[in-house]
Amino acid sequence: KAGVTQTPRYLIKTRGQQVTLSCSPISGHRSVSWYQQTPGQGLQFLFEYFSETQRNKGNFPGRFSGRQFSNSRSEMNVSTLELGDSALYLCASSWLGQGAVSAETQYFGPGTRLLVL
Amino acid sequence: AQSVTQLGSHVSVSEGALVLLRCNYSSSVPPYLFWYVQYPNQGLQLLLKYTTGATLVKGINGFEAEFKKSETSFHLTKPSAHMSDAAEYFCAVSPAGSARQLTFGSGTQLTVLP
Repeated sequence: KAGVTQTPRYLIKTRGQQVTLSCSPISGHRSVSWYQQTPGQGLQFLFEYFSETQRNKGNFPGRFSGRQFSNSRSEMNVSTLELGDSALYLCASSWLGQGAVSAETQYFGPGTRLLVL
Repeated sequence: AQSVTQLGSHVSVSEGALVLLRCNYSSSVPPYLFWYVQYPNQGLQLLLKYTTGATLVKGINGFEAEFKKSETSFHLTKPSAHMSDAAEYFCAVSPAGSARQLTFGSGTQLTVLP
């Protein structure tokens, strides 16, 4: 079974631009979460999507947004990029049973490394 | 709010020696606890997790961790280090009932010396 894939793997943008990152979960997984990893702040939860709905959101400004499509693929968008948005953005997927929550394992993709100049 | 503290941002051990990576958590109720490993230029791989039940949890690659509620700890151990264990290790916590909103510790870089 293919793992979580993220595209692109590397990206360079300039301040003020916007960027869209893509995540394809493991087949059958319906939950997708996004995390930001930086040397200064470490790994921080951005948001989680399930059934095309945002279920949880971390403490990030509104410039960070996301969405999920009917095939569970997810995108995250960052508008008006700032230097501090340079980071590794990780996507994780997990399977959720009907109405269930519990402790399904999150499987992480390799990440998209974003550099803002 | 939950939080995780990993003691020691860098740990060095000799090959064959015991690996001990420390993790303490803060939570008002027993959370779910995880250890992940990250190799250079890769994502995170789950080593093991504690949700409920047995407090000694065995994971992949010979790692195990013990949940100690009284000490609010979830330390990671491996009896004998291997060169391939060199990586960054993250302890994480999530609210009980949801494993999809993880709060991570700051990570511990493990170096294995020949």
